[in-house]
Amino acid sequence: EPEVTQTPSHQVTQMGQEVILRCVPISNHLYFYWYRQILGQKVEFLVSFYNNEISEKSEIFDDQFSVERPDGSNFTLKIRSTKLEDSAMYFCASNRTSGESEQFFGPGTRLTVL
Amino acid sequence: GENVEQHPSTLSVQEGDSAVIKCTYSDSASNYFPWYKQELGKGPQLIIDIRSNVGEKKDQRIAVTLNKTAKHFSLHITETQPEDSAVYFCAASRDDKIIFGKGTRLHILP
Repeated sequence: EPEVTQTPSHQVTQMGQEVILRCVPISNHLYFYWYRQILGQKVEFLVSFYNNEISEKSEIFDDQFSVERPDGSNFTLKIRSTKLEDSAMYFCASNRTSGESEQFFGPGTRLTVL
Repeated sequence: GENVEQHPSTLSVQEGDSAVIKCTYSDSASNYFPWYKQELGKGPQLIIDIRSNVGEKKDQRIAVTLNKTAKHFSLHITETQPEDSAVYFCAASRDDKIIFGKGTRLHILP
């Protein structure tokens, strides 16, 4: 069964450093998302992406964040200058159609900012 | 924006008994309500979903109900089993953005 994959599974970085989190969505999916989950809290929407453009973003997704689909398979989240409060699990998700349809989540990348 | 409230935060039930998790939402334009199960160290997995034109949906031991007027929806798990132990999230969605509740940690007691 096709699945969303994410790398790395765990990323440790120093405050102020840039990180890139990578995702490979399911191959025939067209809509891509990033969510984050701070330890013990709920999953929060960050951004949705379709047709090489951001469709919607939350207030969390400020100028330090960016997303890119550099080739036909990868979908990346870049955090330009990490802060301690960026420590969280970051989940990538994808679906084939927008709106009322299942989003398939990856296993997540645990980001630890020291 | 949408706000989803979920109760209880923790629920312990005896194996074989039923578990009920309740959620409310604020945005009457939300039209898709998925429920996700999250096991330790994994991403959320969809277990059932319901659309706004349906009041109830069942899939084996899992059922979901939706009351659009009251903006309530709930998850029912019958004949609970040890493998049902996990964190369950309700969510509401309009267009592409999923807004999650805070989650319910379900413990199935032997």
